[in-house]
Amino acid sequence: DVKVTQSSRYLVKRTGEKVFLECVQDMDHENMFWYRQDPGLGLRLIYFSYDVKMKEKGDIPEGYSVSREKKERFSLILESASTNQTSMYLCASSLARVNTEAFFGQGTRLTVV
Amino acid sequence: AQRVTQPEKLLSVFKGAPVELKCNYSYSGSPELFWYVQYSRQRLQLLLRHISRESIKGFTADLNKGETSFHLKKPFAQEEDSAMYYCALSGRSGGYQKVTFGTGTKLQVIP
Repeated sequence: DVKVTQSSRYLVKRTGEKVFLECVQDMDHENMFWYRQDPGLGLRLIYFSYDVKMKEKGDIPEGYSVSREKKERFSLILESASTNQTSMYLCASSLARVNTEAFFGQGTRLTVV
Repeated sequence: AQRVTQPEKLLSVFKGAPVELKCNYSYSGSPELFWYVQYSRQRLQLLLRHISRESIKGFTADLNKGETSFHLKKPFAQEEDSAMYYCALSGRSGGYQKVTFGTGTKLQVIP
């Protein structure tokens, strides 16, 4: 059974703080993704990674960075958190092949105050 | 560029009524399309994919390349179908496989 685990379910951070969101998958998937989920806007891709130390910008990368030092772990970093980054963050992973399913974590609800 | 459009934010139907959740896409290549579902307090999960051409929980979706649509249908809605539904397209972008989601439709089945 595929498991994608996000380190925190809820986080509250102050404006200007550096924030780390961690994601771990246990199925040896090549691809990993970070999305933010906002009402009325759906899921928007922030960054994705197709291999260790490799990353690509998604549709809304501004204000974020990522790190993938090991295949199973993909971290999302908010360099200086702002209130407009308050959102639900979803991590996902998938195999690197066509028509493959993406498996999602349970989400991290981040509130920036 | 690839794009997925779900025109309805909310769809309310009565139990036993037919359901159709609309999805249109824009993609220059041959698309891979999916429907994902998120039940209350659960993680997002795959419902079905167009390549499988199968029925899951009574739902089906047909890819119509002429209309660039992938609508999700069920003949008789059940209360447990109430959830958030996302249409997704997987396509090549800059040499990599990228998944783009629509804005989602909340399905509310009224008892």
